[in-house]
Amino acid sequence: GAGVSQSPRYKVAKRGQDVALRCDPISGHVSLFWYQQALGQGPEFLTYFQNEAQLDKSGLPSDRFFAERPEGSVSTLKIQRTQQEDSAVYLCASSAPIGGTYEQYFGPGTRLTVT
Amino acid sequence: RKEVEQDPGPFNVPEGATVAFNCTYSNSASQSFFWYRQDCRKEPKLLMSVYSSGNEDGRFTAQLNRASQYISLLIRDSKLSDSATYLCVVGPNQAGTALIFGKGTTLSVSS
Repeated sequence: GAGVSQSPRYKVAKRGQDVALRCDPISGHVSLFWYQQALGQGPEFLTYFQNEAQLDKSGLPSDRFFAERPEGSVSTLKIQRTQQEDSAVYLCASSAPIGGTYEQYFGPGTRLTVT
Repeated sequence: RKEVEQDPGPFNVPEGATVAFNCTYSNSASQSFFWYRQDCRKEPKLLMSVYSSGNEDGRFTAQLNRASQYISLLIRDSKLSDSATYLCVVGPNQAGTALIFGKGTTLSVSS
């Protein structure tokens, strides 16, 4: 079946612009995660939703970052007034309990470059 | 101290070689452990889960030592297609919570 999809795949923004990144999780997956991956680093957690509820946003680096999942399926990560340090790949992952392992499946990511 | 630490490499090995990656984690309450593989400019993909009893999947063997908080991955008979970054990943003690990733270890297999 279809995996996690993300759009756009690439985004170039001028410093100060707002951007919105979209994630379509695997159908039926209740858990959705956003991660940020800087060059040469492993992914780092940003925020987590269970259905429409944002249960953990402890990884969001500043109040310029905002995420929502209003109907418990598609999620949007919004970054306001982008800065150069926001340049990274933004990965979305979804999971559903299968035998208790809670494996996470990742989308292809959105590569954001702030100039 | 980073929560999950790995030797970043790179590991450069010839085809057919055996290579081992190691990883340590700091949170003793962690309950789930994984190795993910990430190809250049692609998303991470689950390679295998890691269990206390150790587990094997073809040429890949993973081990977990909870007392030492140490995870390993052994790749036997390396193939060119094994070239990638291998991410050691630890899951906290609650279902549905975030995964903690190491920086990754880069493997390059040459002919």
